[in-house]
Amino acid sequence: GQQLNQSPQSMFIQEGEDVSMNCTSSSIFNTWLWYKQEPGEGPVLLIALYKAGELTSNGRLTAQFGITRKDSFLNISASIPSDVGIYFCAGRGGADGLTFGKGTHLIIQP
Amino acid sequence: NAGVTQTPKFRVLKTGQSMTLLCAQDMNHEYMYWYRQDPGMGLRLIHYSVGEGTTAKGEVPDGYNVSRLKKQNFLLGLESAAPSQTSVYFCASSYLRGAYNEQFFGPGTRLTVL
Repeated sequence: GQQLNQSPQSMFIQEGEDVSMNCTSSSIFNTWLWYKQEPGEGPVLLIALYKAGELTSNGRLTAQFGITRKDSFLNISASIPSDVGIYFCAGRGGADGLTFGKGTHLIIQP
Repeated sequence: NAGVTQTPKFRVLKTGQSMTLLCAQDMNHEYMYWYRQDPGMGLRLIHYSVGEGTTAKGEVPDGYNVSRLKKQNFLLGLESAAPSQTSVYFCASSYLRGAYNEQFFGPGTRLTVL
């Protein structure tokens, strides 16, 4: 099946720093989604991308749909303590469900 | 709107027991999904439904059955639970197929099989 490689696996940063994470795939995706999950909760949608090359922002978050349709990145600017959590990329190819990356654990040190 | 709700939140089963997880959504979404989340594995699709009365297999369907008798409900059943089914189960729903497939997730059910 389709696989997504998400990196880094975890990040330890200082409050105020910028964050960057990415996902790559061996297959082409038509849609890229970025989710955040906090402990004991379900994933919450942050940004959805539908076109190759698309760059979309949501507050301090910016995500891009790679031109090759095989990758996407998420940037968080000026991190704050509430940004802590696990960030997942997810892609949709021809199937109806989503393929998820294994997540990036973001830990912020005050 | 409550969004996507799941019951129960926690459950402990013995090997061989059966149970049903219930997912309900009040957003009039056509599509519903069941995922399992294991440490280091991300979320993996078990089964999904494209509408009332229809179901389809996902990536890891073995050992599970589903039913979608009403548009707002999607049930996940384990007929004979195994320790390998210890996981956190998430239900999701989305409005329609095609390019726009933003899935909204429930809070999860944590299942332990002893």
